[in-house]
Amino acid sequence: GENVEQHPSTLSVQEGDSAVIKCTYSDSASNYFPWYKQELGKGPQLIIDIRSNVGEKKDQRIAVTLNKTAKHFSLHITETQPEDSAVYFCAATDSWGKLQFGAGTQVVVTP
Amino acid sequence: DVKVTQSSRYLVKRTGEKVFLECVQDMDHENMFWYRQDPGLGLRLIYFSYDVKMKEKGDIPEGYSVSREKKERFSLILESASTNQTSMYLCASSPGVAGGSDEQFFGPGTRLTVL
Repeated sequence: GENVEQHPSTLSVQEGDSAVIKCTYSDSASNYFPWYKQELGKGPQLIIDIRSNVGEKKDQRIAVTLNKTAKHFSLHITETQPEDSAVYFCAATDSWGKLQFGAGTQVVVTP
Repeated sequence: DVKVTQSSRYLVKRTGEKVFLECVQDMDHENMFWYRQDPGLGLRLIYFSYDVKMKEKGDIPEGYSVSREKKERFSLILESASTNQTSMYLCASSPGVAGGSDEQFFGPGTRLTVL
């Protein structure tokens, strides 16, 4: 089955710097790769996603890249702000179309 | 805005009790999901449903069952709660237009403690 690994587990960045979170997946049939952000006391919320026919997608300060050959995808946050502090989860669809989530990355943006 | 509500934010139960966790969505979504979230393990799928009265096992269904009698409501049942079921439980729904590849909307979660 699908196995999604996510690194790092914690990430501390200075406000204004960039943050990068990386994920790898095992199932070559995976075709959908969403990223969720979970703020304290709330459920996860989709922030960006990418499908297998696209290599990169950008939405303001966040971007996601996908390398299907290497089976890895990354989240990039530029010009980080304190409100970017949260737990971020990557995910990938498995052969049955269900999402498999990574373990999560705790991002802390310090002023 | 899509709203997914869960019946309780915090719940404390005794070992062996039967526990019901309720989830309601208000956007007429086809798909509903139950996950548990544990530190270092991410979100793991317990059960999901693509239609009323339909249910499918996820990755960790042991010790759980579900019920979907109405489209908007998806219940998770712990028949006999055990301490290893202490966790955060998250319900989600999605439109179902793209199979498993559409956005899932999550509720705020229920923190369950089994003593």
